[in-house]
Parts: sequence; structure tokens; C-alpha cells
Amino acid sequence: ILNVEQSPQSLHVQEGDSTNFTCSFPSSNFYALHWYRWETAKSPEALFVMTLNGDEKKKGRISATLNTKEGYSYLYIKGSQPEDSATYLCASYNAGNMLTFGGGTRLMVKP
Amino acid sequence: KAGVTQTPRYLIKTRGQQVTLSCSPISGHRSVSWYQQTPGQGLQFLFEYFSETQRNKGNFPGRFSGRQFSNSRSEMNVSTLELGDSALYLCASSPQPGLGEADTQYFGPGTRLTVL
Repeated sequence: ILNVEQSPQSLHVQEGDSTNFTCSFPSSNFYALHWYRWETAKSPEALFVMTLNGDEKKKGRISATLNTKEGYSYLYIKGSQPEDSATYLCASYNAGNMLTFGGGTRLMVKP
Repeated sequence: KAGVTQTPRYLIKTRGQQVTLSCSPISGHRSVSWYQQTPGQGLQFLFEYFSETQRNKGNFPGRFSGRQFSNSRSEMNVSTLELGDSALYLCASSPQPGLGEADTQYFGPGTRLTVL
């Protein structure tokens, strides 16, 4: 069984704070790591797909890094805004050809 | 381009009944995956279809089944419903099964199933 773990489970930050959270995944038979943002009452929205060790992707104030050798990815949000409040999911695409999701990190940004 | 649509959005059934959920992928997408989301288990993979063929199936009992039509629309069926089947069922489409950014999955709004 492939275990994808995310930490922390939830996070409260003040508007303007920068924050980061972690996704860990088994490094063997790894193919790709996906990050999604899931806002309440909406569909999960793809943020990044990362495949190569050392990959770094950026979209606005959000960026992510990937370490496939040790099996972790970090998601960073710079200058958090209330609209960043959401659950952030990572998912590992493994040799079994299916996405395995972590439990998510629920981010709440207070104005 | 229209997004992924799922029908119905909400459904209430009783134990023992069966249910069919529908998913229409983004135009041009040929791969459809289904997921179950429950508070305790998070998002769990059910199955993936591509070109009317099931490519993968997650760890769910045989009561959960699905199919894909020639227009890439997909249905999933749950027979003999149990209370534990109450969940949000999400489908996601991508151009084809794959691993890269071009094969990113786009999710629908989900169907909220309540089993009484």
C-alpha cells in the first residue's frame, strides 16, 4: 500500500504570513507528484504536476519543490491571503498507475 | 470549454438500493477517474477508464462498478448500498492517462450520496 502523508493536518495563519507544508511519499517506483487546492464547495483545482528530482514550480505566490530521492515535496505560500484558505492535497502517481492522495492540509488565513 | 459535469449533484438512498452516478468529461478528454471522499479516509481512488476500458481499480468491493461509453462519458454504479457508502463521489478527466503536466486531472463538482 502506498502511503502519502501530509503535515500539518491544519494550519491557521494571519494574512500576510508566509507558510509551507509537507507531502511525503514513497520514493520507490515514483513517477509524478500532483498538488491540488480544494476550496469549500468547489472542485479540486490542479496547482502543479512535478516529475523530476529538484523540480521547482511557481504560480503567483505559490511554489512547490520536489525531492524524489528522499520522497518529499514542499508547498510554499508567500504572503497568505484570505482567498488562499483551502485544503491543499498532494497525490503521488506510482507504479500502479493511479493517483494516491494524502489526507490534505487545511489552511485558514485570518484577515 | 465546459468543465467536468456530474449528475446528480445530491442523492439520498436507503440501504440495499443501488445507485448510478454519471460523469461527462471535458470535451476531448478520454480518461475518466472516479474517487470517493469521506471525512475519515480522504480521497480514495475507485477506478480509471480510458477508451471504454477499465485501466485500474482501487481497493473497493465488487459492489462498486463502472463503465465508459464511446463518447468518453462514464457512469459508476454501487449496488446493495451500505451506510458507509455515504460520501462525496468525484470524477476527474484528463486527455489521456499519463504522468506529466499535460495529463493533469480536472475534477467535477462531485455527487453527494447519502445512504439512510
